[in-house]
Amino acid sequence: ETGVTQTPRHLVMGMTNKKSLKCEQHLGHNAMYWYKQSAKKPLELMFVYNFKEQTENNSVPSRFSPECPNSSHLFLHLHTLQPEDSALYLCASSLSTDTQYFGPGTRLTVL
Amino acid sequence: GENVEQHPSTLSVQEGDSAVIKCTYSDSASNYFPWYKQELGKGPQLIIDIRSNVGEKKDQRIAVTLNKTAKHFSLHITETQPEDSAVYFCAASNNAGANNLFFGTGTRLTVIP
Repeated sequence: ETGVTQTPRHLVMGMTNKKSLKCEQHLGHNAMYWYKQSAKKPLELMFVYNFKEQTENNSVPSRFSPECPNSSHLFLHLHTLQPEDSALYLCASSLSTDTQYFGPGTRLTVL
Repeated sequence: GENVEQHPSTLSVQEGDSAVIKCTYSDSASNYFPWYKQELGKGPQLIIDIRSNVGEKKDQRIAVTLNKTAKHFSLHITETQPEDSAVYFCAASNNAGANNLFFGTGTRLTVIP
């Protein structure tokens, strides 16, 4: 256990559905991250939050909408996704610019 | 931006042998280089990291070396065991601003008993 939890662990959704991924960290960190992991590609950083403020948005389509209500919780709201969005979505947290600790991920399948 | 390349993509070794995974990076400002191990069904877990002010770091059977001039760093696992089988990722960061980590594409290590 790294102290970063993600729910759900698996999600299957249609292209017209709306769903949300949740991440929670119990490490007292101030920074949280969303990454997308696809087969045979490097982990892609999607969003970064530092003290609840979004500091990075790496050209992610608007069908992905992050929310960070506090330094311990991070959400990724999903709507009208495409099949190519199927991937493992990983959440991570860190204390400022120190080591990032990852959650187990949510395996998303878009039909 | 930073570009990290990792080789090989797959590696099979006999139990007890050593395994070496190599990465190169492009941004000379990068100063932090972590290595992550990802087992099936889990997220990446940090196993060792190195900062640019040292050339080598060791933790039991795992060691990492860094050559800043050549912009490459390597992971060395000695006396491999079946539980070392996993996907290993290198990453690079300049530890500035949002702490953006740039990852390699991963190496699937299989240790054959």
